[in-house]
Amino acid sequence: EPEVTQTPSHQVTQMGQEVILRCVPISNHLYFYWYRQILGQKVEFLVSFYNNEISEKSEIFDDQFSVERPDGSNFTLKIRSTKLEDSAMYFCASSLRQGAYNEQFFGPGTRLTVL
Amino acid sequence: AQTVTQSQPEMSVQEAETVTLSCTYDTSESDYYLFWYKQPPSRQMILVIRQEAYKQQNATENRFSVNFQKAAKSFSLKISDSQLGDAAMYFCAYRSGGIQFYFGTGTSLTVIP
Repeated sequence: EPEVTQTPSHQVTQMGQEVILRCVPISNHLYFYWYRQILGQKVEFLVSFYNNEISEKSEIFDDQFSVERPDGSNFTLKIRSTKLEDSAMYFCASSLRQGAYNEQFFGPGTRLTVL
Repeated sequence: AQTVTQSQPEMSVQEAETVTLSCTYDTSESDYYLFWYKQPPSRQMILVIRQEAYKQQNATENRFSVNFQKAAKSFSLKISDSQLGDAAMYFCAYRSGGIQFYFGTGTSLTVIP
């Protein structure tokens, strides 16, 4: 069964460094998402992406964040200058269709630790 | 604003027994969808069950069923005949017309052999 994959599983970085988190969505899916979960807190929506554009973003997704689908298979989240508070688990998700009822398929997550 | 609350951070159940995980939510919308996702250790979240708010009948998927109380804004998950493979973190989530999910903080379920 097709799955969303994410690399790396764990990324450690120094404060102020740029990081790129990578995701490979399910191949025929059209909608892509990033979520994050700070330890002990709720999973929070960051951004959704469709047709090479951001379709929705939360207030968390500020200018330090960007997303890209560079080659038709990968979907990346870049954090330009990491802060301590960016330490979290980051989940990528994809879906075939949009709409509140449609299932999003999640990846296993990347744990980002900012030192 | 939409909020989802899971008041049980941890639960445990004996194998073959039944357990109910609680979820409440707050919304002013009348049309929305509710979900339970399961996340096994070091694995991805997978959809367990979903419910449309306009449907009065509670959703059922094999051993998993929900008790949806729209007036009370409650959406609990019942797992019958619990199995070792049911051990996971369970997240309750809400969506209305928008794209994003609103998740609860999760309930960690332990299944005792």
